[in-house]
This record gives sequence, C-alpha cells and structure tokens, in this order.
Amino acid sequence: GAGVSQSPSNKVTEKGKDVELRCDPISGHTALYWYRQSLGQGLEFLIYFQGNSAPDKSGLPSDRFSAERTGGSVSTLTIQRTQQEDSAVYLCASSFLRDTQYFGPGTRLTVL
Amino acid sequence: DQQVKQNSPSLSVQEGRISILNCDYTNSMFDYFLWYKKYPAEGPTFLISISSIKDKNEDGRFTVFLNKSAKHLSLHIVPSQPGDSAVYFCAASGRTGANNLFFGTGTRLTVIP
Repeated sequence: GAGVSQSPSNKVTEKGKDVELRCDPISGHTALYWYRQSLGQGLEFLIYFQGNSAPDKSGLPSDRFSAERTGGSVSTLTIQRTQQEDSAVYLCASSFLRDTQYFGPGTRLTVL
Repeated sequence: DQQVKQNSPSLSVQEGRISILNCDYTNSMFDYFLWYKKYPAEGPTFLISISSIKDKNEDGRFTVFLNKSAKHLSLHIVPSQPGDSAVYFCAASGRTGANNLFFGTGTRLTVIP
C-alpha cells in the first residue's frame, strides 16, 4: 500500500535551466493534482488530471510550466527557464475520482 | 485573493487541553471542507473532512464544526497531545470542475508537555 511518491526530494538549479519533477500516484487513483507551496504561503493549485480527460491547467502560473501524465499513472511537471520566484515545494496529490486527496512528500525546488 | 483564510499563524496549548483551530472562507460555492496536518519535510496528511450538508463531524479526538451562514469552520482537538504539534491546513473545494482544493496558509500548533 505505497502512498504517493515524488522525486527528487530536493532540486537545486540555476536560473534559466529546465527542471522535471516526477510524481507516482497511489495505484488505482484516477485523479492527480499538482500544487506548490511558496515560503509562508498556503498550497496553490497548479494542474489537475482526471482519467483520460483533458487536464485542467487553470492554475499554471505561466507558459513555462507544463505537465503530462503518461498512461494514466505517473506524472511529470516541467518548468522551463526557471526563475527565482519558482522556488517552492511542489506537491503532488492523487485521489480516486473526487474522493479525498492524498499527498506525496513534495519536491523542494531552489532556483539560484 | 485568498478564498480560504486562517488568521492565526500559530497556537500554543498545554497538553491535555483543547486546541481550537479556525478557518474562514469566502466562496459560497464551496461544499466540502478538509483539514490536513503537515509535519516538516512531509506532505500534508488528511485528517478529517466535512460536507456542507453537515455541521459537525467527529473522529476520535478530532471534531470539525461547520457554520455555513458564517462561512466558518473550526477543528477541535481534545485532549491535545505533544504529537499533535504540526502545521494544520484548512482546505475547501466545490464538487464541480476540477475539484482542486483551496488551502489556507496554515496554523502552527504547538502542544506543550
């Protein structure tokens, strides 16, 4: 009964570089969410996948951010040309349909 | 604009006493509310939830109260234990669209032994 896993746990990158963050949801969960938590802030919704439906990208802060979910399971969040304001903890959550969301441990991204 | 607000960034309570964490929301379309607990370097852990058709939900030492007219909910922990020390996030969603959660900024609870 593994929970949601995320990798890497920490990522330090230089401004302007691209980064990829990975999320492995709970097996059988149909929905997958990405959130981020900036210092001193609450969690901010980024993107939502539900089954084979088109993702809801309404929370993505800019076109430098994109995400995909392959085979209805693993998801990758990509940030292109990273900026210092992208520094945050990026959290992934999964749920079965619209039930309770369960979170992974997060990836702490630091952009120097 | 912050649709879910936790106005107390921190709270300290003696072990054995009651902890009351408060949360206010502005969006009347929210119909499902959750509390998550977060320890350092870990993701939020689901604690308890309540649907808008109820005004109270209880699970062991944890009780959530919902006052829809005031757009206010609270989490009661009784008796408080040192292991309850964590950051508590209030979250809300409307069961339409993406069902994404809107989070408050969290309240850091410290239970003093």
